[in-house]
Order: sequence, then C-alpha cells, then structure tokens
Amino acid sequence: QKEVEQNSGPLSVPEGAIASLNCTYSDRGSQSFFWYRQYSGKSPELIMFIYSNGDKEDGRFTAQLNKASQYVSLLIRDSQPSDSATYLCAVTSGNQFYFGTGTSLTVIP
Amino acid sequence: NAGVTQTPKFQVLKTGQSMTLQCAQDMNHNSMYWYRQDPGMGLRLIYYSASEGTTDKGEVPNGYNVSRLNKREFSLRLESAAPSQTSVYFCASTRLNTGELFFGEGSRLTVL
Repeated sequence: QKEVEQNSGPLSVPEGAIASLNCTYSDRGSQSFFWYRQYSGKSPELIMFIYSNGDKEDGRFTAQLNKASQYVSLLIRDSQPSDSATYLCAVTSGNQFYFGTGTSLTVIP
Repeated sequence: NAGVTQTPKFQVLKTGQSMTLQCAQDMNHNSMYWYRQDPGMGLRLIYYSASEGTTDKGEVPNGYNVSRLNKREFSLRLESAAPSQTSVYFCASTRLNTGELFFGEGSRLTVL
C-alpha cells in the first residue's frame, strides 16, 4: 500500500503571511510530485508539479522536494483569502497517482 | 475546450439499483482514472486505464466495473449500489509525458 501523508489541519494563517504545507510519501520509487488546490464543492486543480530534488518557484508558490527524506512541501507567500482551500499532495508510481487526504488552509483577512 | 466531462452531476439511487457514470475527455489523453472522494479519506483510485483497451484495478475496486469504450470515453458502472458507495466521484485524464491530471467536475452519488 503506497501512502501519502498530510497534516489534515486546519491550518490558519493571517493575510500576507507564509503558509507551509507538508507531505510525506512511502514509495521510494515515486517519480513525480504534485500539489492540487480544491475549493469546497469543486474539483481539484493543479498548482505545481516538481520532479527533481530542490525548490521550484512559480509566482507566490514554491514547491520543495527531498527524495532522500521522502518529503515534499508547498510554501505560499503573501497568503490571500482566495488561497483558502484544501491542498492535496499527489505522487505518481508507474501509471497511478496517489493522493494524501489534504490540508485545509484558511487565510484570515 | 470542454476538457473532462462527467455525467450525471447528481444522482440518488436506492440500494440494489444499478447505474453508469459517464466520462469523456477531448484532450487526446492516453490515461483515464476514476476516483472517489469521501470526507477524511482523500481521493482513492477505483480503476484506471493506462491506454485504450486496457483497464486495471486501483485501491478500492470492489462493487465497480469500468469500460474504456474508446480513447475518449471511460465509464464506471455500479451493478448493485450500496450505501457505502455514497460519495463524490471524479473522472480524470492525463497525457503521461506531462503528468498533470485534469479532473472532471465530479458526480455526487447518494445511495439510500
């Protein structure tokens, strides 16, 4: 059983702060790593993907991957109320995508 | 560009009834997936199809069957619905060289 673990939260941060979301995975053979955002009642939408160790930045979002520690994180800088959502970590192994249970983030104005 | 289209969006069934959830994508993707999402359980893979003509079981396949009708369409069938199958079902597709999963809007199923 391949597992992806996330702190379910809820995580609350004030507007303008940095939100840090964490994810660990059990399969060392996992190849690709994704962060999805899901608003209540909506389908998941991709925020970022990362394939190699290190950091990847896209606007206010930074994904960090450490394969040795089997750890992937997402930093959201200058958090906005519109960032309030559930964030899902996903990893791939072969043709399959495995998802964590998600972290609920609330950005307080 | 429609992306991934699922029907129906809402359905109420009685225990023992059957139904089929339809999914179609217009992005020429090879791989398609069916997930269910329950509170506190995240997205769990029911079945997937890596390419036209192939299907494989995921984490929670019991009580479901699938058909990859062609490259565009991937249907999920509940032969005899049970209350434990009350959930939100998502269809998704990907072109493996990019890895991004594109999701449909979801189908909310209630089994009484």
